[in-house]
Amino acid sequence: AQRVTQPEKLLSVFKGAPVELKCNYSYSGSPELFWYVQYSRQRLQLLLRHISRESIKGFTADLNKGETSFHLKKPFAQEEDSAMYYCALRSTGNQFYFGTGTSLTVIP
Amino acid sequence: EAGVVQSPRYKIIEKKQPVAFWCNPISGHNTLYWYLQNLGQGPELLIRYENEEAVDDSQLPKDRFSAERLKGVDSTLKIQPAELGDSAVYLCASSRSASSYNEQFFGPGTRLTVL
Repeated sequence: AQRVTQPEKLLSVFKGAPVELKCNYSYSGSPELFWYVQYSRQRLQLLLRHISRESIKGFTADLNKGETSFHLKKPFAQEEDSAMYYCALRSTGNQFYFGTGTSLTVIP
Repeated sequence: EAGVVQSPRYKIIEKKQPVAFWCNPISGHNTLYWYLQNLGQGPELLIRYENEEAVDDSQLPKDRFSAERLKGVDSTLKIQPAELGDSAVYLCASSRSASSYNEQFFGPGTRLTVL
């Protein structure tokens, strides 16, 4: 069963515009949700996690248990935000499930 | 700090041949993960080690895949024999422990092409 769904394969926004990358999950327990990012020619790296409730590089994500969503948002997109973004879920058994990713392009 | 090191970075083999990937985690990291990433997909966990013990290998196709982490440091992932469908990027990651407060650090991956 698909645990993590990212409905958008590709997303383009103009610089300065708001951006939202969608993530929905399916899990009956209490999951932990993460956003990972992969910039061009770089390694996959952690962007943020819901338990930290932090803002990283202007990005935030709120876990909505009612809608089983963990959308990533930024009010003003920058060119350097162009990257591949993966939503991930960690189960209570320490298993990680990644979504298929969303490629974000910020147009100058 | 070099981060997670993987080798080789690229490997091209013919089907039915064996292949091995090597991973050196960040020093002091007890947890090591091997992931498979197919084109256009997210990483899929193959196996997780806590020190030298494989604590989760439920997604590892054991008929042709094997892994080891002798001494709880470096790890190797082997495929024998390789099939065309094994063409993918194999990622290694490590963390201090499996605790949610410990970030996973990923290596650059090994891109395998099976002809």
